[in-house]
This record gives sequence, structure tokens and C-alpha cells, in this order.
Amino acid sequence: QKEVEQDPGPLSVPEGAIVSLNCTYSNSAFQYFMWYRQYSRKGPELLMYTYSSGNKEDGRFTAQVDKSSKYISLFIRDSQPSDSATYLCAMRELYNNNDMRFGAGTRLTVKP
Amino acid sequence: NAGVTQTPKFRILKIGQSMTLQCTQDMNHNYMYWYRQDPGMGLKLIYYSVGAGITDKGEVPNGYNVSRSTTEDFPLRLELAAPSQTSVYFCASTGGSPLHFGNGTRLTVT
Repeated sequence: QKEVEQDPGPLSVPEGAIVSLNCTYSNSAFQYFMWYRQYSRKGPELLMYTYSSGNKEDGRFTAQVDKSSKYISLFIRDSQPSDSATYLCAMRELYNNNDMRFGAGTRLTVKP
Repeated sequence: NAGVTQTPKFRILKIGQSMTLQCTQDMNHNYMYWYRQDPGMGLKLIYYSVGAGITDKGEVPNGYNVSRSTTEDFPLRLELAAPSQTSVYFCASTGGSPLHFGNGTRLTVT
């Protein structure tokens, strides 16, 4: 079993749809959770990060963490064609900067 | 502000050749990292550095070497390239909060 599992997709939705992207993990010591967006032929860029269980909202994006289930999600409301990218979840132990674990990524296409 | 810059963008190597992937950052970050990204596998840490003169192995260091003589630069050396090293390589840096990535080097070993 991989330490971080991510729905592989690909996922294709119409413009305006609500998108749900998900990861599960096995290491209960993970405390710091991130979502990165990666456009084709580019490096990942940080979208959101959170330390705690619950929801964190930033514009059209909501990150959700359920530590009891070891499950994290990223919701995108009113999805746009510009949201078409690969989304990577990432996580690490709170005081260990040097051991970030990434999911394999979900490729999302939003069709106009 | 350029952020993290990687060169070259693309490279084709023959088996057994060597090369250095360059990475430089202009954010004065102490922490720098090299990852490789393979399809369906996620990013894997090769080497990292917590400051000039200090480096350590990550999850997949075999076949690679690094050095960190300055805060800005963190080159990755491939000796005796093998087909298993065909990948996209990303350099990243941080000042203690989330990672800033370069745009990658696509390497093919044939």
C-alpha cells in the first residue's frame, strides 16, 4: 500500500461543475496537508495548505481534512477551463520539512 | 524575481554518459530539494539540503550526487546515466513554509 493514495483520474467535467479531488493516507503522524496545482510542462504551485481537521476556504477552493479517516479533499466550485491541470496532494509530519510525501496526481479537464 | 530556475529544460543522454542539472534560487531560501516525477508515481525526493555545505539523501538517491557550495545553487549530478533515470526532475526551495518549484528538466536516457 502506498503511503499516500490519490484518485488517478483523469477527470473531465463541464464548466461550472463542482469538482471533488481526494487523497487517503496511512501515516497518522502527518499533520500538514497541501494541495498543489501543476499545469502541463510546469512545476507544481501551491494552492492551499492546512494544519488541522475541518475545512479551509479560499475563493472557489475548499480544502477538507478528516484526520480520523486519514482522508483529505479539495473542492473546486464553479470550475473554469483555466482550472484544467493536474492536482497533487502532499503531506508531511509537522516538524519535518524534509520528508514531504506526494500523491501521484489527478488530471482534471474542465470543458467550456 | 525569478524564483527557482532550472537548466536545461530538456536533455537526451546516452547510457553511461554523465550530466549536471542546474538549479538556482533567488529567494535566499536555506532549504533546497531535488525531486523526480514519474507517471503514476508522484514526486520522489532524491536529495535535499538545509544550507550551504549540508546535504542529505532522500528516498531515491542511488545514481545521483549533489553539492551545495552557495545558498543559491544546488546542482544535481548524474553519473553513468541509466534508462531508469528517464524522468522529469524538479528542484524546489523553501524558507520554512510551502515549497517553490522550478519548471523541471525533462531527461531521457537511451
